[in-house]
Amino acid sequence: RKEVEQDPGPFNVPEGATVAFNCTYSNSASQSFFWYRQDCRKEPKLLMSVYSSGNEDGRFTAQLNRASQYISLLIRDSKLSDSATYLCVVPPWGYSTLTFGKGTMLLVSP
Amino acid sequence: DGGITQSPKYLFRKEGQNVTLSCEQNLNHDAMYWYRQDPGQGLRLIYYSQIVNDFQKGDIAEGYSVSREKKESFPLTVTSAQKNPTAFYLCASSPRTGGVTQYFGPGTRLLVL
Repeated sequence: RKEVEQDPGPFNVPEGATVAFNCTYSNSASQSFFWYRQDCRKEPKLLMSVYSSGNEDGRFTAQLNRASQYISLLIRDSKLSDSATYLCVVPPWGYSTLTFGKGTMLLVSP
Repeated sequence: DGGITQSPKYLFRKEGQNVTLSCEQNLNHDAMYWYRQDPGQGLRLIYYSQIVNDFQKGDIAEGYSVSREKKESFPLTVTSAQKNPTAFYLCASSPRTGGVTQYFGPGTRLLVL
């Protein structure tokens, strides 16, 4: 299994829809997880951290499933401005760096 | 405003030339990183630095060099040994290394003529 795997998409959804992405990781000792958002031709920006108990921020909910080694991102009531690539980020335990997934592209249409 | 700046935004390189990409941060972060992103690909780590005058190779360091003479600055040189340098280069910083949030600069697009 690759360190971090994501479905590249694109996920095409209408405005107002609910959409979810998963990201699987290989290192069972990983402790911290993040979702970043990257707009076309821009730098990645932190969307939210993923805690063991889950994390909710407005329309966005992140969950961690340690048993199955995946994290998820749920977006409710999708907006046109949510169109972007969502990067899953997992720091390998004991290492000084982050491993970025290749991202899942979301396209929200009117 | 605190943040990370990269310059130039676009850079053109001729075959056989070395070019240097600038990265400056005023966030007082100890750790700085350089990534390369190719179309449809994730971020790949080139070099990172945990402290001034110290840096480590990432996954794709061949053909690149860095220096960390000041806490605020972490320039990346793309040497002529890098055979496929056309890419989007991103600099990031974080308070320390490890499983912590990294903050990115706006990036430099390098194109080989």
